[in-house]
Amino acid sequence: QKEVEQDPGPLSVPEGAIVSLNCTYSNSAFQYFMWYRQYSRKGPELLMYTYSSGNKEDGRFTAQVDKSSKYISLFIRDSQPSDSATYLCAIPGTGNQFYFGTGTSLTVIP
Amino acid sequence: DVKVTQSSRYLVKRTGEKVFLECVQDMDHENMFWYRQDPGLGLRLIYFSYDVKMKEKGDIPEGYSVSREKKERFSLILESASTNQTSMYLCASSPGAPPKPQHFGDGTRLSIL
Repeated sequence: QKEVEQDPGPLSVPEGAIVSLNCTYSNSAFQYFMWYRQYSRKGPELLMYTYSSGNKEDGRFTAQVDKSSKYISLFIRDSQPSDSATYLCAIPGTGNQFYFGTGTSLTVIP
Repeated sequence: DVKVTQSSRYLVKRTGEKVFLECVQDMDHENMFWYRQDPGLGLRLIYFSYDVKMKEKGDIPEGYSVSREKKERFSLILESASTNQTSMYLCASSPGAPPKPQHFGDGTRLSIL
């Protein structure tokens, strides 16, 4: 079983829609959760970083962690064409090891 | 802002060549990483380094080596390039105390012909 599994997509939504991106993880000891955004032909950039269960908001983005279900989500409200990118969940493991999801490709159609 | 710079955006090499990919970070980070990214497989860790001259194998080190002679610079070496090493290579850095986020460069798209 992989440490982190991510819905592969691709996902295509109309502008203004609410987007939900999801990952599950296997190790209940994981405590930190991150979301990266990767535009085409660019490296991943950190979008959200959360420690605890519950929700963390940053503008139109909300990161949600449910530790009881080992499930993490990223919600995008009022999605824009500029949100079109690949989104990767990432979880730090032991030492310097990071576990990345395979990424979900999102296209927001004007 | 943290800046991680990879020396080449695109590179084309021939089978059997020795290939060097260079990465420089400007934030005095202790840790540096090399990943390759392939469709459907996500990011796979090749090597990482937690200090000058220190290195640890990642998940797929075969066919690769690394060098870290200075704190800010981490080089990935393909000893004898093969076509199955055609990929996007990403360098990242992070501060010493985990679990701080990693910061990525924009990648080198390497084609081996």
